Amino acid sequence: GAVVSQHPSWVICKSGTSVKIECRSLDFQATTMFWYRQFPKQSLMLMATSNEGSKATYEQGVEKDKFLINHASLTLSTLTVTSAHPEDSSFYICSATSQGANYGYTFGSGTRLTVV
Amino acid sequence: GQQVMQIPQYQHVQEGEDFTTYCNSSTTLSNIQWYKQRPGGHPVFLIQLVKSGEVKKQKRLTFQFGEAKKNSSLHITATQTTDVGTYFCAGPRPESGGSYIPTFGRGTSLIVHP
Repeated sequence: GAVVSQHPSWVICKSGTSVKIECRSLDFQATTMFWYRQFPKQSLMLMATSNEGSKATYEQGVEKDKFLINHASLTLSTLTVTSAHPEDSSFYICSATSQGANYGYTFGSGTRLTVV
Repeated sequence: GQQVMQIPQYQHVQEGEDFTTYCNSSTTLSNIQWYKQRPGGHPVFLIQLVKSGEVKKQKRLTFQFGEAKKNSSLHITATQTTDVGTYFCAGPRPESGGSYIPTFGRGTSLIVHP
């Protein structure tokens, strides 16, 4: 089946530093990828829609200058959390579809970010 | 905009008991998807329902889509400890146009006591 690889699985960084999270579609091309943020015991909050070759579409309230998204190829999208602060600590997860939305979305394994 | 409401938030059951989670939308959905997220894991696609009144089964799991296509349910018969996790429903955002932007419900966390 379709596989979305996400790295790193977890990362601890100091306040003020930047962290890059990668999301790769291993056996299919993904023109669109979604980036979510999930707080403990809560739902998936869509942050942005990443489109290959164009600018990402951010959800209302998500700072595009803080959460930089790049989708340079059909198999790779990256999320960079810039100047991270403790309140950015969360579970970040990406998703894509290999056969179209009607066949469901495949999620990456997620990245647990802790900012100290 | 569309909101997908899901209840209950938590459900504790004894192993062998049945479990049901309900999903309601403020608007008519073209389809609805269900996902399962194990503790510490990521969501995994279970199924998509498209037709009004549709019922689909996957072993002990039964998925229903309401006649008005505004609600859906997931029922698990005779729960097992392997059923533990959070079950999410997701519907397409109405204003997403030709693309499908999923809106997730809050999820129902199932806790099965052996």
